[in-house]
Amino acid sequence: ELKVEQNPLFLSMQEGKNYTIYCNYSTTSDRLYWYRQDPGKSLESLFVLLSNGAVKQEGRLMASLDTKARLSTLHITAAVHDLSATYFCAVDEGRGGADGLTFGKGTHLIIQP
Amino acid sequence: DTAVSQTPKYLVTQMGNDKSIKCEQNLGHDTMYWYKQDSKKFLKIMFSYNNKELIINETVPNRFSPKSPDKAHLNLHINSLELGDSAVYFCASSHPYSYEQYFGPGTRLTVT
Repeated sequence: ELKVEQNPLFLSMQEGKNYTIYCNYSTTSDRLYWYRQDPGKSLESLFVLLSNGAVKQEGRLMASLDTKARLSTLHITAAVHDLSATYFCAVDEGRGGADGLTFGKGTHLIIQP
Repeated sequence: DTAVSQTPKYLVTQMGNDKSIKCEQNLGHDTMYWYKQDSKKFLKIMFSYNNKELIINETVPNRFSPKSPDKAHLNLHINSLELGDSAVYFCASSHPYSYEQYFGPGTRLTVT
């Protein structure tokens, strides 16, 4: 059974600080996704990482993938309040594109002024 | 111009009732999914459909039955609703090459 573990599950940080969310998974898949969810809202796709060593950046967020270590990271640089949300990583097992995603439990991020 | 839409957004019903949730996508994707998000925000795949055919059915009680009349629609019918069915149900569709999944707005189901 595929397992996806995120840590931390809860993170409170101050504006201007840097932090990293970690996502470990148990399969050999090289497809990993990061989503953002605001309270009461749907999931918004942030990053799609499709190969070992993939690195993507959007604004203050940067995601990377190490398939050998089965680890992805989401790095937050100089956090601002607007980034407060729950962040999920998700993996699919790559069995032809019709698989569902297996999600981590999510990291609830609160950024305080 | 909504990519993945669901109706209704909220659904409140009593135990034992039967209800349906509808999902439509206008992205031209071949694969659609249903996910359940529980009260602890944990997301779990329920069903996957590819070109109107059921691909995966993850240990979901047979009270839940997906129906895909065409590849742009995937509806979820739930019989004999139970308290534990209360959750947010998300429909999604996936890009054929990146497999990135696009989620609908969700349907919050409350069973009383």
